[in-house]
Amino acid sequence: KNEVEQSPQNLTAQEGEFITINCSYSVGISALHWLQQHPGGGIVSLFMLSSGKKKHGRLIATINIQEKHSSLHITASHPRDSAVYICAVRTSGSRLTFGEGTQLTVNP
Amino acid sequence: DVKVTQSSRYLVKRTGEKVFLECVQDMDHENMFWYRQDPGLGLRLIYFSYDVKMKEKGDIPEGYSVSREKKERFSLILESASTNQTSMYLCASVGNINEAFFGQGTRLTVV
Repeated sequence: KNEVEQSPQNLTAQEGEFITINCSYSVGISALHWLQQHPGGGIVSLFMLSSGKKKHGRLIATINIQEKHSSLHITASHPRDSAVYICAVRTSGSRLTFGEGTQLTVNP
Repeated sequence: DVKVTQSSRYLVKRTGEKVFLECVQDMDHENMFWYRQDPGLGLRLIYFSYDVKMKEKGDIPEGYSVSREKKERFSLILESASTNQTSMYLCASVGNINEAFFGQGTRLTVV
């Protein structure tokens, strides 16, 4: 079993829909990252969380430390949100352990 | 404002060649990482470094080595490239406040 599990693996939505991507982890962490990867490979860090909730534009990330679970929400989704979304947890030192990613496709 | 730069976006090399992948960061970070990304396997850690001239093996170091002669530069070396090293390679730089920055990735094909 992977230390970081994401669901769903693939998600197709219509423009304007509210989207949720989930991440569960089984190890103790000091922080959790949500990352976005567009075709071509580059990865951008969207959020870093150690507790509570963060919001940036249409993106919201929450974490429940006791339940070892985090969610990434996208409100009013748009085709430009189509990307792979990756959850990563920081365990020992600065090492990151990654989920396998969620491929999101938003259709116009 | 590019923070982590990988030297090449695409590379094609022949089996047996020595390959250098370069990563440079401009944030004065001590922590730098090399990952490879493969379908169905996600990102896996190859090597990392917490300081100049310091290196630690990650989860899949076989067939690779690294060099960190200067704080801003972390190089991944494929001593003798093989076809199973065809992959996307990603460099990351992590600061002391836990922020992580990634390069654009290098898609390496070994033929």
